[in-house]
Amino acid sequence: ETGVTQTPRHLVMGMTNKKSLKCEQHLGHNAMYWYKQSAKKPLELMFVYNFKEQTENNSVPSRFSPECPNSSHLFLHLHTLQPEDSALYLCASSQAGAENTGELFFGEGSRLTVL
Amino acid sequence: SQQGEEDPQALSIQEGENATMNCSYKTSINNLQWYRQNSGRGLVHLILIRSNEREKHSGRLRVTLDTSKKSSSLLITASRAADTASYFCATDSPSGGSYIPTFGRGTSLIVHP
Repeated sequence: ETGVTQTPRHLVMGMTNKKSLKCEQHLGHNAMYWYKQSAKKPLELMFVYNFKEQTENNSVPSRFSPECPNSSHLFLHLHTLQPEDSALYLCASSQAGAENTGELFFGEGSRLTVL
Repeated sequence: SQQGEEDPQALSIQEGENATMNCSYKTSINNLQWYRQNSGRGLVHLILIRSNEREKHSGRLRVTLDTSKKSSSLLITASRAADTASYFCATDSPSGGSYIPTFGRGTSLIVHP
């Protein structure tokens, strides 16, 4: 139990569907992240939110839409996805700031399959 | 932003042997972290070493950092089957006053009982 909970753990969707991934952290952290993990590729940083403000968007296609309503919750809204978007999506949190080390606490991931 | 590159990509050893994984990076860092990931699960933080440190220990883990060579190594001593996992190094990239860990492809370690 890392204090970061992701739901659902598994999701299968068609290319025309709209779905959302949810992440909740109980650690009192002020930064939350979405990473994408595909087979044989490095972990890809998608989005970063510091104090609910998006500070990083690594050229992610608009079919992925993040939402951070407060510092404890993070969503990834999915629509019109492609089969190559199938991957493990990992949420993480940290206590951001110049005095902090950047240690990340990860959830267990949401395994997404796009048919 | 830079990312660390782990080497080897895959490592297969017998229980009781030591496992050594290496990480190389390109630009200066604030700190370097090692994470572990069991298959299909999230990553778990193992150890952090700061740029002004050369060696750090945590249980059966030993991490070294050579900033002149821009490399780090993770040594797992007396390995166990339960150590089977993927291991990632993460180097930090400054962003908005914080540092964001950036990961490589990882080393897949298999420890045979």
